[in-house]
Amino acid sequence: QKEVEQDPGPLSVPEGAIVSLNCTYSNSAFQYFMWYRQYSRKGPELLMYTYSSGNKEDGRFTAQVDKSSKYISLFIRDSQPSDSATYLCATNAGKSTFGDGTTLTVKP
Amino acid sequence: GAVVSQHPSRVICKSGTSVKIECRSLDFQATTMFWYRQFPKQSLMLMATSNEGSKATYEQGVEKDKFLINHASLTLSTLTVTSAHPEDSSFYICSAPSPVSYEQYFGPGTRLTVT
Repeated sequence: QKEVEQDPGPLSVPEGAIVSLNCTYSNSAFQYFMWYRQYSRKGPELLMYTYSSGNKEDGRFTAQVDKSSKYISLFIRDSQPSDSATYLCATNAGKSTFGDGTTLTVKP
Repeated sequence: GAVVSQHPSRVICKSGTSVKIECRSLDFQATTMFWYRQFPKQSLMLMATSNEGSKATYEQGVEKDKFLINHASLTLSTLTVTSAHPEDSSFYICSAPSPVSYEQYFGPGTRLTVT
């Protein structure tokens, strides 16, 4: 079993839609949870990071962690074509463990 | 913010030759760096952990004699793909952990094409 499982996608939504990206993890010792965004042919960049359970909001993006169910989510409100990218969830520090990524396309 | 650079960004080489990729942390020191490979439409696959001043740690299934890693200074790690073959064609990305948070800073990647 992989330590981090990510909903595979791909996802295609119209501009303005609410997007939900989801991951589950298996190791209850993980405490830090990150979402990275990767545009085509570029290295990933950190989008959001949370510690332990709860929600964290940054503009149109909300990261949610439920440690009781080992579930990680990223919500994008009012999605834009510029949000089209691959989103990777990751846990912990140093040698981060990544999900396989979900490719999102937001159509104008 | 902290930046990690990679050089070259793109390289084409002939089968059987060796290619060196550099990864530099530009404004911070990195005792550890990570090397990933990413095939089209697939996620990052960790190849190895590069440790400054000591041997790299390779993930299972990664040939250490084929993918030589040298972390000679606190700001530079190199990955050399030896005797490259077409199946080694991929996007290689390095990263370094932030010294102040749990973020990893990723390089922009190197696209290797072996003909």
